[in-house]
Amino acid sequence: GENVEQHPSTLSVQEGDSAVIKCTYSDSASNYFPWYKQELGKRPQLIIDIRSNVGEKKDQRIAVTLNKTAKHFSLHITETQPEDSAVYFCAASKAAGNMLTFGGGTRLMVKP
Amino acid sequence: EPEVTQTPSHQVTQMGQEVILHCVPISNHLYFYWYRQILGQKVEFLVSFYNNEISEKSEIFDDQFSVERPDGSNFTLKIRSTKLEDSAMYFCASSLQNTGELFFGEGSRLTVL
Repeated sequence: GENVEQHPSTLSVQEGDSAVIKCTYSDSASNYFPWYKQELGKRPQLIIDIRSNVGEKKDQRIAVTLNKTAKHFSLHITETQPEDSAVYFCAASKAAGNMLTFGGGTRLMVKP
Repeated sequence: EPEVTQTPSHQVTQMGQEVILHCVPISNHLYFYWYRQILGQKVEFLVSFYNNEISEKSEIFDDQFSVERPDGSNFTLKIRSTKLEDSAMYFCASSLQNTGELFFGEGSRLTVL
């Protein structure tokens, strides 16, 4: 089955800096890659997703890149703010609504 | 904004007891899911449900687990005989299509003693 690896497990940045989180996946049939933000004790919330027919997608300060050949995808957050502090999970699936396989999570801490 | 609702928010039970977790998916959604997250770990898929039957399930979803859509609005997860290792946060999710975004509920924290 699919295996998703995520790095780093923790990331500390200064407010205003950029943060990059990377994921690799194993199943070449996966074609949907969402990113979720989870604040302490809360539900995971989708922040951005990308499908395999595009290489990059951007939404304001957040961007995701996908390299299907290398089977890796990354989340980029620019101009980080303290409210960006949370755990971020990448995930992969063969279709947007199907079984998601999650990465291990990255705890992002943005220092004011 | 419509959201997935789950009850109870926290349940404490004795090992070996049956537990039922309740979910009300977003009303026009067609696909329903249960995921779990052991404290401090990744979110893990349990089961997906469409058209009144299970469409996919993981290895975690063994014979002790079952799901049901008893009426047009509820979606339940039953654990027949709970084990200590079932302690986790259980998230229900729904999506409109199998190509659409998953919307998660706030979760039900299960503690098995």
